[in-house]
Amino acid sequence: DAGVIQSPRHEVTEMGQEVTLRCKPISGHNSLFWYRQTMMRGLELLIYFNNNVPIDDSGMPEDRFSAKMPNASFSTLKIQPSEPRDSAVYFCASRDRVETQYFGPGTRLLVL
Amino acid sequence: GENVEQHPSTLSVQEGDSAVIKCTYSDSASNYFPWYKQELGKRPQLIIDIRSNVGEKKDQRIAVTLNKTAKHFSLHITETQPEDSAVYFCAASIRGSGTYKYIFGTGTRLKVLA
Repeated sequence: DAGVIQSPRHEVTEMGQEVTLRCKPISGHNSLFWYRQTMMRGLELLIYFNNNVPIDDSGMPEDRFSAKMPNASFSTLKIQPSEPRDSAVYFCASRDRVETQYFGPGTRLLVL
Repeated sequence: GENVEQHPSTLSVQEGDSAVIKCTYSDSASNYFPWYKQELGKRPQLIIDIRSNVGEKKDQRIAVTLNKTAKHFSLHITETQPEDSAVYFCAASIRGSGTYKYIFGTGTRLKVLA
């Protein structure tokens, strides 16, 4: 199994631009999580899905952030418009009905 | 609210010594507690976990203990080696709709000095 796949691995963009991060969970996993990691705030849960349905988006910082999961094998996290304070590493993670949660390699986002 | 506190934030030990990282959680319904290790520039990876019906679990040089009454759990690493240097995160499960989410601690940066 290839594990959780994220793209792009690195993204550099200018303030105001739209950013789309992508995630492919491990096949058969029914829960998907988006996290943001910064030195200041640590590992924050932004939103999570169960069976493709958003369960809790209380961690999404602002309306500029949105996430979708159109099917069991794909999810996106979008930031529009992006701001320098959005610079962080964004991790996607997936889990099956057992508790073990697997993280993807992350997307390093830099907003100039 | 939902919260996991983790201490210390940094920890330096001599190679061969033991390291202990402690976490407390707020939700008494939490029943699963994983520990993740994150090396520089890499993803967090599960190293050990414990469920609420168990007080202690060991896996070679690492062990985790859980005190449900006090709502705290700890990671113990014995005979530390330089490759143990990393950031360690504890987490506690919080029940959601149909599944669980994990609330992570703020991390402990462990340095093992050769």
